[in-house]
Amino acid sequence: DAGVIQSPRHEVTEMGQEVTLRCKPISGHNSLFWYRQTMMRGLELLIYFNNNVPIDDSGMPEDRFSAKMPNASFSTLKIQPSEPRDSAVYFCASQPRPGLASNEQFFGPGTRLTVL
Amino acid sequence: GEDVEQSLFLSVREGDSSVINCTYTDSSSTYLYWYKQEPGAGLQLLTYIFSNMDMKQDQRLTVLLNKKDKHLSLRIADTQTGDSAIYFCAETPGGADGLTFGKGTHLIIQP
Repeated sequence: DAGVIQSPRHEVTEMGQEVTLRCKPISGHNSLFWYRQTMMRGLELLIYFNNNVPIDDSGMPEDRFSAKMPNASFSTLKIQPSEPRDSAVYFCASQPRPGLASNEQFFGPGTRLTVL
Repeated sequence: GEDVEQSLFLSVREGDSSVINCTYTDSSSTYLYWYKQEPGAGLQLLTYIFSNMDMKQDQRLTVLLNKKDKHLSLRIADTQTGDSAIYFCAETPGGADGLTFGKGTHLIIQP
């Protein structure tokens, strides 16, 4: 298995532009998580899905952020319009199924976003 | 305050033991976790401990859990340069699916 796949690995854009981050979870995993990591705030949970349904989006910073999971093998995180303070590393993680004993999450390599 | 707290940096000499500490708030967490993040990579599960255990040992790693004080620690024996990474403590608040992570402890190895 290739693990969790994220694209692009790096994104540099200008303030005001739309940014779309993509994630392919591990096949067969039922839960998908989006995190943001910055030096100041550490690792923050933005939103997560169980069986493609958004369960908790309370971590999404504002309306400029949106996430979708149209099917079990694909999710997007969109920022529109982007701002310099959105610069961070965005991680996607998947988990086999809710309630599994170990609750292990498998992380992708992250997308480093820079908004100029 | 923060749900999971860790100190940001720990510096140790190569060959010494490293002890990374964490405090958490949710006493209903079923499992507590240590994740490792190497430079430029995502987090990887290092080890976890079930909440009814006090200790778990796995080769050079020892996890200690003090449930009364809500304190978790990770001891790495004979610390090597390859152990240089950020170590995250995490809990499962209220038994939820998601994890709550600490900000991570940067482990710095001195030669």
